[in-house]
Order: sequence, then C-alpha cells, then structure tokens
Amino acid sequence: DAKTTQPTSMDCAEGRAANLPCNHSTISGNEYVYWYRQIHSQGPQYIIHGLKNNETNEMASLIITEDRKSSTLILPHATLRDTAVYYCIVRVWGNNNDMRFGAGTRLTVKP
Amino acid sequence: DAMVIQNPRYQVTQFGKPVTLSCSQTLNHNVMYWYQQKSSQAPKLLFHYYDKDFNNEADTPDNFQSRRPNTSFCFLDIRSPGLGDAAMYLCATSRAQGHNEQFFGPGTRLTVL
Repeated sequence: DAKTTQPTSMDCAEGRAANLPCNHSTISGNEYVYWYRQIHSQGPQYIIHGLKNNETNEMASLIITEDRKSSTLILPHATLRDTAVYYCIVRVWGNNNDMRFGAGTRLTVKP
Repeated sequence: DAMVIQNPRYQVTQFGKPVTLSCSQTLNHNVMYWYQQKSSQAPKLLFHYYDKDFNNEADTPDNFQSRRPNTSFCFLDIRSPGLGDAAMYLCATSRAQGHNEQFFGPGTRLTVL
C-alpha cells in the first residue's frame, strides 16, 4: 500500500506557482520523500527528493514540514508542459524495491 | 541520446500467445526494473534485477518472467497473456547506490486480443 495521500486533481493557471501537497504521516526516520511526474504517454520522470530540509533544483522546490508528516512540491512558474500526474513517494535511501506509486495528483495547467 | 529504450512502443498479441518485451539502457546502471501500469492506474513494480540477481515482488503472477543477459538488456516474458495483462509496461534503471533516481523508458503498450 502507498504510504502517501495526495489530492486527486488540481488546476493551475499558466505562469502561476503550482503547489502540490502530500501527506505522509507514517513516514519513518530513514525514509526520504521523492517526487516523480508522468506526462501523458511517457514514463515517469524524477523531479526532486528530500529528507527533512527544503530542497530546490532547476525543476521545482520541495518543502517538508518540521515533523516530516507532509510536504509540498512547488513548480514556481507552471507551463502547459507541466500538465501531468505528480507522484509523491516515500522510500528508504538506497533501497531498490520500495518505489510504491500512489494514485498521484493530476495537475492541469490552464492558459 | 535516448537512455532507456523500449521496443516496440506498441505490441499486440493474442490471448495465450507468449510475448516478449524488450528494454535496453545506455546508462550502465546496475539495477533494471519492470513496472506494469494499467489504464488510469499508477505504475506497479513487478520485479527488478540488481546486476544478475533477480528480485520478484511477492504478488507478481508466475505468468511474468524476466531475463537479463547482460548489463544493457532486460526482457519481460509473458508466458500466456490474458486479457487482464493488457497494460503499459515500463522499464526503468538506476544506480545501485545513493538515492538511486530511477530513469524510465517510454513504455510498451501491450494489447491482448
């Protein structure tokens, strides 16, 4: 069973920030938060991951609450090409077999 | 400069007729994975290879087998496809160590007639 809960769908206006929440209230101390996205008819694509500190890369920012029970993925300036299903996954660093996808959030970026 | 290649992108087979899906990688990664993704569902891990070591998920049906003849190639064999096996099959790779980000191929969509 997936260890995360996410809203089923969200809309965002093009050019605005998209904030995608994820609850992972049962996260263990050695589990990281990962985000992947899947654009229609493509394989999933890694976005970002973090343990407890906030993280930023060229694609997105990841904000993790102090108690680590929830996180938010931020796409600072959403474009139409960011329309995709976004998956929040918790997994242990270095494990090869615990990538458990939940239902994800379908983000639609609108003009 | 494709990194994880899956051929063909679309595969049609008949009920009960064995089918093999192919995956190759140019990343020289230790680990290769196969996922099944049914319509409107999330990907589900079937099994993975860590080098030559095969690791099956507990709920993967016996109908699904895999082969990894070398680092670059991995195959998914479906011995007797049923209608319920129609899905997108995704191959992924990762390094064995570190945060092992997974790199996915574009998938093969399997249709069972």
